[in-house]
Amino acid sequence: QKEVEQDPGPLSVPEGAIVSLNCTYSNSAFQYFMWYRQYSRKGPELLMYTYSSGNKEDGRFTAQVDKSSKYISLFIRDSQPSDSATYLCAMKSSNDYKLSFGAGTTVTVRA
Amino acid sequence: DTAVSQTPKYLVTQMGNDKSIKCEQNLGHDTMYWYKQDSKKFLKIMFSYNNKELIINETVPNRFSPKSPDKAHLNLHINSLELGDSAVYFCASSLEPGRGQNFGPGTRLTVL
Repeated sequence: QKEVEQDPGPLSVPEGAIVSLNCTYSNSAFQYFMWYRQYSRKGPELLMYTYSSGNKEDGRFTAQVDKSSKYISLFIRDSQPSDSATYLCAMKSSNDYKLSFGAGTTVTVRA
Repeated sequence: DTAVSQTPKYLVTQMGNDKSIKCEQNLGHDTMYWYKQDSKKFLKIMFSYNNKELIINETVPNRFSPKSPDKAHLNLHINSLELGDSAVYFCASSLEPGRGQNFGPGTRLTVL
């Protein structure tokens, strides 16, 4: 079993829809949680960074962490065609230097 | 004003050759990384340096050797290239180990 599980999709939604992405994990020591967006043939870019449980909002993006369920989510409101990309979750524990990545979910927002 | 840059962007070479990929960051970060992304988009950490000291050394063939001449540079040298080395290699940097990372544009390596 992989340490971080993420549904690879693909996910196709109409413009304006809410996109819901999630990851589950097995390591209860994970404390830091991130979402990266990767456009085709580009490097990943950091979208959201959260510590421990709770919600964080940044514009149209909301990240949620539920440590009790070992489950994290990213919501994209009012999705735009420019949101079409692969979204990767990543996480780490306090005493580890390396990030554990999910496999990425490919999202297409149709105009 | 590129934050993390890599050269070359594309690299096509024959099996058995030796090649290097260079990475530079101008963010003043202390930590740099090399990742390999396979055709299924899975990102796998290979190495990380913090203040020029190796802190992550994952199980990769010893044909791969990182070199950090200073905090702003981390190069990757690959000996005796094999078909399975074909992938996109990303360099990244962060202020400190494990924090949110800035990625470079990637180097697409194709071994024929």
